[in-house]
Amino acid sequence: GESVGLHLPTLSVQEGDNSIINCAYSNSASDYFIWYKQESGKGPQFIIDIRSNMDKRQGQRVTVLLNKTVKHLSLQIAATQPGDSAVYFCAELQTSNTGNQFYFGTGTSLTVIP
Amino acid sequence: NAGVTQTPKFQVLKTGQSMTLQCAQDMNHEYMSWYRQDPGMGLRLIHYSVGAGITDQGEVPNGYNVSRSTTEDFPLRLLSAAPSQTSVYFCASKGLAGRVTGELFFGEGSRLTVL
Repeated sequence: GESVGLHLPTLSVQEGDNSIINCAYSNSASDYFIWYKQESGKGPQFIIDIRSNMDKRQGQRVTVLLNKTVKHLSLQIAATQPGDSAVYFCAELQTSNTGNQFYFGTGTSLTVIP
Repeated sequence: NAGVTQTPKFQVLKTGQSMTLQCAQDMNHEYMSWYRQDPGMGLRLIHYSVGAGITDQGEVPNGYNVSRSTTEDFPLRLLSAAPSQTSVYFCASKGLAGRVTGELFFGEGSRLTVL
């Protein structure tokens, strides 16, 4: 089966610092790698994705890095804010003629200390 | 747009009872899916559909049925609930036309407890 794992289950950072959340994946055939944010009591929310043929993509305050050599994905959040406190999931997407298969990791809980 | 709407938000069942979790989306998305979320295990795919009349199994389909009679609706049925099905269930949808992205749109979740 698929294996998408996270290096650390919890992460605490000071407000204003940068956060780095890491993820390891096992399937080199995945087409996209994605980060989701889940706030307490809510459904996951898309943050950013990166295609498998890229190694870096930037969004607003977030950067995703993909290292296919070591099958590693990371999410960098710049100037972390209290509103960034949530659980972050990495996911892989495999596309095919029959549909899309997403495989999610177990999540890292980010706590921002004011 | 309401996005993805799930009902009910909370449900308590007794072992052996049946029920249906409802999911509706108003974004004209072809792809719809159901996940369950258990502590320490992330999200696991139960069933998915790429259009009306088409469904397929995900990682953990046993004990669940789905149907897709319309583009908008994708109900998840538990025919005989078991305590192992106690979980939080999420419905998610995605458009398949145009540029491929990893963006799934999730509902707010349905928390199910089976006694």
